[in-house]
Amino acid sequence: QQKVQQSPESLSVPEGGMASLNCTSSDRNFQYFWWYRQHSGEGPKALMSIFSDGDKKEGRFTAHLNKASLHVSLHIRDSQPSDSALYFCAASEHANYGNEKITFGAGTKLTIKP
Amino acid sequence: GGIITQTPKFLIGQEGQKLTLKCQQNFNHDTMYWYRQDSGKGLRLIYYSITENDLQKGDLSEGYDASREKKSSFSLTVTSAQKNEMAVFLCASSIYERLFFGHGTKLSVL
Repeated sequence: QQKVQQSPESLSVPEGGMASLNCTSSDRNFQYFWWYRQHSGEGPKALMSIFSDGDKKEGRFTAHLNKASLHVSLHIRDSQPSDSALYFCAASEHANYGNEKITFGAGTKLTIKP
Repeated sequence: GGIITQTPKFLIGQEGQKLTLKCQQNFNHDTMYWYRQDSGKGLRLIYYSITENDLQKGDLSEGYDASREKKSSFSLTVTSAQKNEMAVFLCASSIYERLFFGHGTKLSVL
């Protein structure tokens, strides 16, 4: 069983709508989470991190973390066609040590329909 | 800013062949990673290295070797390519658990 599970596998949202992506860890040691985005033909790029319970907002992107349930979500408001990409959740046991094993989920394919 | 350079971009091999993928970074980051990306399975960690000459096994290390002879470079060897294998291998370096990825090496085995 994958230690980091993402849902849904794919998601289609109309332009201007809200996209919501989910991630759950089955390993209670994973306490620190990142969201990455990958456009076709490129490597993934970091979107944002979340290490504390609650919400973290960066522009149109809001991440939410519930450490008790090990659930993290990413919400994209006012979705744009350029947001169409593969989104990954990544988890680690510690933060800011720079020497961690980082585990990824299987990804959510997001399509924004014009 | 820095960059992660992976070579080659495309690699075609024969079954049973030993194949080497190379990665260079100019961020001066200590930690580097190799991930394999298969369709529908996300990114799976093969090896990572926290400093020159250090190697740490990931979840998918069987069938692979790695080498970190310099801080700026990290190479991955497929010890025996499997027939019909097709995957993208992604190299990354990190600072404070934020990963910076290259564009990948796409492997096809005939």
